[in-house]
Amino acid sequence: DIVLTQAPGTLSLSPGERATVSCRASQSISSRHLAWYQQKLGQAPRLLIYGASSRATGFPDRFSGSGSGTDFTLTISRLEPEDFAVYYCQHYDNSEVTFGGGTKVEFK
Amino acid sequence: QVQLQESGPGLVKPSETLSLICSVSGASSSTHYWNWIRQPPGKGLEWIGFIHYTGNTRSHPSLYSRVSMSVDTSRNYVSLNVNSVTAADTAVYYCARWSEDQRAFDYWGQGTLVTVSS
Repeated sequence: DIVLTQAPGTLSLSPGERATVSCRASQSISSRHLAWYQQKLGQAPRLLIYGASSRATGFPDRFSGSGSGTDFTLTISRLEPEDFAVYYCQHYDNSEVTFGGGTKVEFK
Repeated sequence: QVQLQESGPGLVKPSETLSLICSVSGASSSTHYWNWIRQPPGKGLEWIGFIHYTGNTRSHPSLYSRVSMSVDTSRNYVSLNVNSVTAADTAVYYCARWSEDQRAFDYWGQGTLVTVSS
């Protein structure tokens, strides 16, 4: 089974700063099967990035995803107040879904 | 606009069965794969499984023996049963639609908290 490890667990930043979240897979995976979600407090997760680098509807271009193989990255170029949330990576393969443990982006 | 709404008892006794319904509007339950995902309080997301109206279903290996899912296309809802529950099954339960194009969950319900306690 593929394990997704996110780092760091918590990212303490200020508005305007750059956020970089890592998602590492225990073995090489297809980029097409890697997604990212944003979850704000008390809300359901919301699809943010799919296919490792395609932005979902409604998200501005300060959000970007990249990576291949075992290493994937979510970048928020300049944090806005509404971006402080928890971010999860997710993988699908062989009819099974795996989530990373999550990265909380919090106010410094 | 696609909307998903989970409903069911908020409190279930240990050893009993947790039963939830996900009502689908703005889409047909006879398309797409419908998933259940849960989140224990203060923790991360755990995929439970998926169901397709054709009967194709798959569950997480750790839950396989306790989980059953179904689709009622006439009433447009998806259901989840988890039997022999323990406190470890306490979580917010979400239903979510799988997008084959995006290979991701494109629509989620708001979630419903189920507490397992006597």
